[in-house]
Amino acid sequence: GNSVTQMEGPVTLSEEAFLTINCTYTATGYPSLFWYVQYPGEGLQLLLKATKADDKGSNKGFEATYRKETTSFHLEKGSVQVSDSAVYFCALSSTGGGNKLTFGTGTQLKVEL
Amino acid sequence: KAGVTQTPRYLIKTRGQQVTLSCSPISGHRSVSWYQQTPGQGLQFLFEYFSETQRNKGNFPGRFSGRQFSNSRSEMNVSTLELGDSALYLCASSLAVGGQSYNSPLHFGNGTRLTVT
Repeated sequence: GNSVTQMEGPVTLSEEAFLTINCTYTATGYPSLFWYVQYPGEGLQLLLKATKADDKGSNKGFEATYRKETTSFHLEKGSVQVSDSAVYFCALSSTGGGNKLTFGTGTQLKVEL
Repeated sequence: KAGVTQTPRYLIKTRGQQVTLSCSPISGHRSVSWYQQTPGQGLQFLFEYFSETQRNKGNFPGRFSGRQFSNSRSEMNVSTLELGDSALYLCASSLAVGGQSYNSPLHFGNGTRLTVT
């Protein structure tokens, strides 16, 4: 079956530091890949997505590249801000799977001044 | 445009009771999905509805059920509540143009936090 593995948190960084959150997946076929973000007390928000190999999703300074050869979709940001503090979820949806997303366990990011 | 609305925001129930949660999708969205979020199991897919029909179902017992109305609003019901059902229940809607929703992003509500005592 499908599965998503992402690095455990919490990840604590100083403001303006470089961020990487690792995500690898197992799936049949050609899944679509997503990063969602959850702020305290809120639901999830789509941060970025990629639907085929070598696609790069980007939004608000965050980037992730769909790497089929390494089955990875690592999230990166060059300079984090305190406002980026949240929980980040990597997810996939398999072809024909409708809106059934398989999520990773989430990585909490804390950014300090 | 209003977002996905879930009611109520908080619920406290006793073991053995049943509960109904409500979700109003974004206007024009026809697909509604439900997820359970717990610290131990993370986010798990419950089911998805499109045009009043269940399209997909996760691995949850039959105590968990749902339905969708003609206006795309959805409800989920949990019967015979157990302590382990305590969780944040998230609803998400999607445009699902042409019924092919896998490439349409989900828009999540803020969830209903259910506590079973």
